[in-house]
Amino acid sequence: GAVVSQHPSRVICKSGTSVKIECRSLDFQATTMFWYRQFPKQSLMLMATSNEGSKATYEQGVEKDKFLINHASLTLSTLTVTSAHPEDSSFYICSAYKGGNTEAFFGQGTRLTVV
Amino acid sequence: LAKTTQPISMDSYEGQEVNITCSHNNIATNDYITWYQQFPSQGPRFIIQGYKTKVTNEVASLFIPADRKSSTLSLPRVSLSDTAVYYCLVVPLNAGNMLTFGGGTRLMVKP
Repeated sequence: GAVVSQHPSRVICKSGTSVKIECRSLDFQATTMFWYRQFPKQSLMLMATSNEGSKATYEQGVEKDKFLINHASLTLSTLTVTSAHPEDSSFYICSAYKGGNTEAFFGQGTRLTVV
Repeated sequence: LAKTTQPISMDSYEGQEVNITCSHNNIATNDYITWYQQFPSQGPRFIIQGYKTKVTNEVASLFIPADRKSSTLSLPRVSLSDTAVYYCLVVPLNAGNMLTFGGGTRLMVKP
């Protein structure tokens, strides 16, 4: 299988600050990456679709100015949570699309805690 | 996207076979059935994917009846490390991996 790496795996930040999460496809090029959010005991919720070289597509209800997504290369997408609030505390997971009818490859997730 | 329905939770014991059934009544012709496993504080991991009949790999088997309105994930001889949440997804061919997760089934394997 392919490897997708997320960094950091865990971060604590103060309210009002911004946090950047990186998602890298280590051994393949990913034209599309996806960002999900998962609250405790709940399922994954798709936040946005990130396409290399173009603007991300956000799901309904997800604020694009708060969750900034950049997909500057075929192996890296970043999610920046701006002006973080405690309610943004969650588990953020990325996945990368390798192409064709292949399974999705997920990162290990980032646990964000806003205090 | 086809909606899926699976049991919220299941309990089993080590060494037993576990079968988790998923309903997807409005599955489309181009849809594949895919199962993922998720451990706490980790990203999901692909288990198996199929279109019809039976698919088997080193981890699990997937049974899909002719009408494809349901599917069953079979885990042979589970161990404690199989305790996880299992998600059934219906994914259109060439959907680009945009996945819609349902509630999943929380499997607890007991000693």
